[in-house]
Amino acid sequence: NAGVMQNPRHLVRRRGQEARLRCSPMKGHSHVYWYRQLPEEGLKFMVYLQKENIIDESGMPKERFSAEFPKEGPSILRIQQVVRGDSAAYFCASSPQVLSGANVLTFGAGSRLTVL
Amino acid sequence: AQSVTQLGSHVSVSEGALVLLRCNYSSSVPPYLFWYVQYPNQGLQLLLKYTTGATLVKGINGFEAEFKKSETSFHLTKPSAHMSDAAEYFCAVSGAYNKLIFGAGTRLAVHP
Repeated sequence: NAGVMQNPRHLVRRRGQEARLRCSPMKGHSHVYWYRQLPEEGLKFMVYLQKENIIDESGMPKERFSAEFPKEGPSILRIQQVVRGDSAAYFCASSPQVLSGANVLTFGAGSRLTVL
Repeated sequence: AQSVTQLGSHVSVSEGALVLLRCNYSSSVPPYLFWYVQYPNQGLQLLLKYTTGATLVKGINGFEAEFKKSETSFHLTKPSAHMSDAAEYFCAVSGAYNKLIFGAGTRLAVHP
């Protein structure tokens, strides 16, 4: 039973390019969360998605960032026109159906974005 | 709104010494609390969680944490540190939609 799979593990982009980060949740999990970890900081919530629905995007920057979780395929975090401040580790987590706050989130190994 | 404060961004202990990592939370509802560990260049791994019931929670790798409502604390302890415990530790509280609100983390160093 594979865990949460994220790819690419490392991504280098030049300023102005686009970055696409992919996350496949654990088998049986239909809820996906994206977090960003800036250097020397904790994890900050970005967005929570279910299949084909964005449920909570309160942590997403207003511009350039978007996320989706299509009916088929992985969840995608997309960053357009990247800037140096986007350099960070982006973590995806998944959980089974949300019944209460006691559900454990399972994290992937992260995608580390470097913007030159 | 929920929040977490971790006191001490860096903690250093000797191998075999007690590990104490501090976490205080703020929550308007009964909290669900978690400790995760992150090894270099890896994702987060769950150490333990508190939901309801017993206030002393035992986790993996010999760690445990005690929920103290009166002190709004959920400190993480381990009686005897091992070199392999060197990592970053994050305390978190569960918020709306089961999302986790993390503290800033505490980096634990273990020296011989």
